[in-house]
Amino acid sequence: KQEVTQIPAALSVPEGENLVLNCSFTDSAIYNLQWFRQDPGKGLTSLLLIQSSQREQTSGRLNASLDKSSGRSTLYIAASQPGDSATYLCAVSGNTPLVFGKGTRLSVIA
Amino acid sequence: NAGVTQTPKFQVLKTGQSMTLQCAQDMNHEYMSWYRQDPGMGLRLIHYSVGAGITDQGEVPNGYNVSRSTTEDFPLRLLSAAPSQTSVYFCASRSAGGGTYEQYFGPGTRLTVT
Repeated sequence: KQEVTQIPAALSVPEGENLVLNCSFTDSAIYNLQWFRQDPGKGLTSLLLIQSSQREQTSGRLNASLDKSSGRSTLYIAASQPGDSATYLCAVSGNTPLVFGKGTRLSVIA
Repeated sequence: NAGVTQTPKFQVLKTGQSMTLQCAQDMNHEYMSWYRQDPGMGLRLIHYSVGAGITDQGEVPNGYNVSRSTTEDFPLRLLSAAPSQTSVYFCASRSAGGGTYEQYFGPGTRLTVT
């Protein structure tokens, strides 16, 4: 059974800092890995999708990497801003629907 | 192209009442699924479908029924609501093969059972 773990559960950083969110998964037989953002009381917004054959994806200040063999992914956020404050969710897709981690709650302090 | 739509956005039920949460997608996706999100528990899979007429159970299926008569629709039925079903429910879809398998989510339904 696929299990996804996200560390840390919560993170508070000053504005402008670069930061890394971590995601690990137990079964390396995945199709892809997605990072989502969720604002309080809102739905899920897809940030980045990395296919199993890829090593990384970039969108603006966000960079996600994938090491399938070791079951790890990282989400790098450069020059963090207060507007980046949200919960970030990692999810992996295999033969069954997405399996989610519990998320990292990020607070960027101005 | 509306993507994944869910209705209603909010619902309050009394214990024992029944209701159906609606989910529709206009992307011709074969895969559809229902998740619930609870504080500290993350998103957990309730039921999913790999195509019309085919459904399967996820991690937390008890108390919920689903059917898939068309590609577009995947309703979730609560037969006898319980306070433990108070949660936010998300519907999602993706294509079955080819492409990136990116998952698309609806805006969610907030359900309170009193």
